[in-house]
Amino acid sequence: KQEVTQIPAALSVPEGENLVLNCSFTDSAIYNLQWFRQDPGKGLTSLLLIQSSQREQTSGRLNASLDKSSGRSTLYIAASQPGDSATYLCAVLDSNYQLIWGAGTKLIIKP
Amino acid sequence: DAGVTQSPTHLIKTRGQQVTLRCSPKSGHDTVSWYQQALGQGPQFIFQYYEEEERQRGNFPDRFSGHQFPNYSSELNVNALLLGDSALYLCASNLAVAGELFFGEGSRLTVL
Repeated sequence: KQEVTQIPAALSVPEGENLVLNCSFTDSAIYNLQWFRQDPGKGLTSLLLIQSSQREQTSGRLNASLDKSSGRSTLYIAASQPGDSATYLCAVLDSNYQLIWGAGTKLIIKP
Repeated sequence: DAGVTQSPTHLIKTRGQQVTLRCSPKSGHDTVSWYQQALGQGPQFIFQYYEEEERQRGNFPDRFSGHQFPNYSSELNVNALLLGDSALYLCASNLAVAGELFFGEGSRLTVL
């Protein structure tokens, strides 16, 4: 059974720092992995989608990597800003086309 | 290009009542999924609709039902509401089962 874990559950860093959020999954048989951002009480915003055949995707200050063999993905945020404060969730599309979610990392960027 | 839209944004019901939530997918998308998200938790998959049929279903009771219309919009119905049904209900759409998933802002349901 696929399980997705995000560590840490919460992270607080000063503005301007580069940071890495982690996502691990137990079964490497996935179709893709997607990173989302969620502001309090709001819906989810898609950040990056990595297909199983890809190693990384970039969008602006965000870079997501995927290592299927080790069951890991990282979301790298460069030059963090207070507006980056949110909860970040990763989700994998497993071999049964089920989307399996991590519990999220709550990120706080201190001005 | 309109993204995923949901209505209503907030609603309050009492136990035993019934509720209908609505979703219009992103333009060009044919697949709609519904999720329940309790406070402080990740989304829980309810079901997915494609070509007006329920294609997949999560671990939710039959009180939760849905429908997809020919224009790909969708409804989520919940009967016999329980206090535990209070949550943010999220609709997501994509094109093809492995396509990028886009979410609406959600409908916040409070059951008293």
